[in-house]
Amino acid sequence: DAGVIQSPRHEVTEMGQEVTLRCKPISGHDYLFWYRQTMMRGLELLIYFNNNVPIDDSGMPEDRFSAKMPNASFSTLKIQPSEPRDSAVYFCASSPDRGVEQFFGPGTRLTVL
Amino acid sequence: AQKVTQAQTEISVVEKEDVTLDCVYETRDTTYYLFWYKQPPSGELVFLIRRNSFDEQNEISGRYSWNFQKSTSSFNFTITASQVVDSAVYFCALANYGQNFVFGPGTRLSVLP
Repeated sequence: DAGVIQSPRHEVTEMGQEVTLRCKPISGHDYLFWYRQTMMRGLELLIYFNNNVPIDDSGMPEDRFSAKMPNASFSTLKIQPSEPRDSAVYFCASSPDRGVEQFFGPGTRLTVL
Repeated sequence: AQKVTQAQTEISVVEKEDVTLDCVYETRDTTYYLFWYKQPPSGELVFLIRRNSFDEQNEISGRYSWNFQKSTSSFNFTITASQVVDSAVYFCALANYGQNFVFGPGTRLSVLP
């Protein structure tokens, strides 16, 4: 089975532009997570979904960030407008149930100039 | 609030040495889960082990072993006879039943030949 798929793998954009990151979870996994990794702040949970419903978005840094999960096989994380401090690696992860390991995608390295 | 502390920022050992990575956690929940993940230089996050709060049995998997002690809120990870391929950043993580994952800051392990 394919693992978690993320696209694009690398994104370079200019400040003020809209950025959309995409994730396809592992089929059958009911939970989907978005994380951000930076040197300064480490791995931060931004938001997670259960059965396509956002459960906890307390980690979303500000209103410029939004996430959606229109169906069980697709999620997006959007930043509008982007800022240089948004530069990070964004990981998507999925898991089949509560309390079990998460399977991570390869990450999207975002650079905002 | 949940918190994970990995006091060792970086560790360097020579190949074949044993090394222990420390993890101390804080939670008010009685049901929780502990994890270790490995992030090699290639950047992906690889799941290593999961423990629930009711299972204090230590575990050994090849050269890896884990020591879970609720009395000291610790979940330490030991690599026996380290190898160069073990060089990576290792993350300890804590999740409550609500799936709020908190990752520690990570310990960067360098195994020198």
